[in-house]
Amino acid sequence: AQSVTQLDSQVPVFEEAPVELRCNYSSSVSVYLFWYVQYPNQGLQLLLKYLSGSTLVKGINGFEAEFNKSQTSFHLRKPSVHISDTAEYFCAVSPPGSNYQLIWGAGTKLIIKP
Amino acid sequence: DAGVTQSPTHLIKTRGQHVTLRCSPISGHKSVSWYQQVLGQGPQFIFQYYEKEERGRGNFPDRFSARQFPNYSSELNVNALLLGDSALYLCASSLLADNNSPLHFGNGTRLTVT
Repeated sequence: AQSVTQLDSQVPVFEEAPVELRCNYSSSVSVYLFWYVQYPNQGLQLLLKYLSGSTLVKGINGFEAEFNKSQTSFHLRKPSVHISDTAEYFCAVSPPGSNYQLIWGAGTKLIIKP
Repeated sequence: DAGVTQSPTHLIKTRGQHVTLRCSPISGHKSVSWYQQVLGQGPQFIFQYYEKEERGRGNFPDRFSARQFPNYSSELNVNALLLGDSALYLCASSLLADNNSPLHFGNGTRLTVT
């Protein structure tokens, strides 16, 4: 069975500092990988996705993620965070061909310190 | 253009009651998915509908049911409510039901069961 582990429940970081949010998955088959962001009292918004091709994926708001098949990881990075990045970030995987059967991590709260 | 709209935004019910949650997808989107997000956890997939047919069902009891109407809006019904059903219920729509169609989430319905 597939599962997703987000290793940090909270990540505090100073404004304008770089950040990495970690995501590892377990699966015996190829998967598609996603990062979503959830701002307070809002639904989820797609940040970026990896379906195939280049392992470095660029998303919205200056975020990027790198797919590492050997380490089964899909870590999210941003070189310089802003106060507006305060949110909860979710990593998710799905089997190829289906966009609904997402399996989600527990989320990482990104806390930006001024 | 309006995004995915869900109603109501908040709801309080008592144990044993039933509840109906509603979702209107983005215009032109034919697929609607429902997720349950318990506080502090990632979303859990409940149902997906595409062209008014159920395309997938998560690991939820039969107390949970859903349907999609000819205008592609959807309802999620939960019978015999339990305290553990308290959660944020998210609806997502997409143009199609494959991984090239990103999910667009509504802001959710916060259900509290007392």
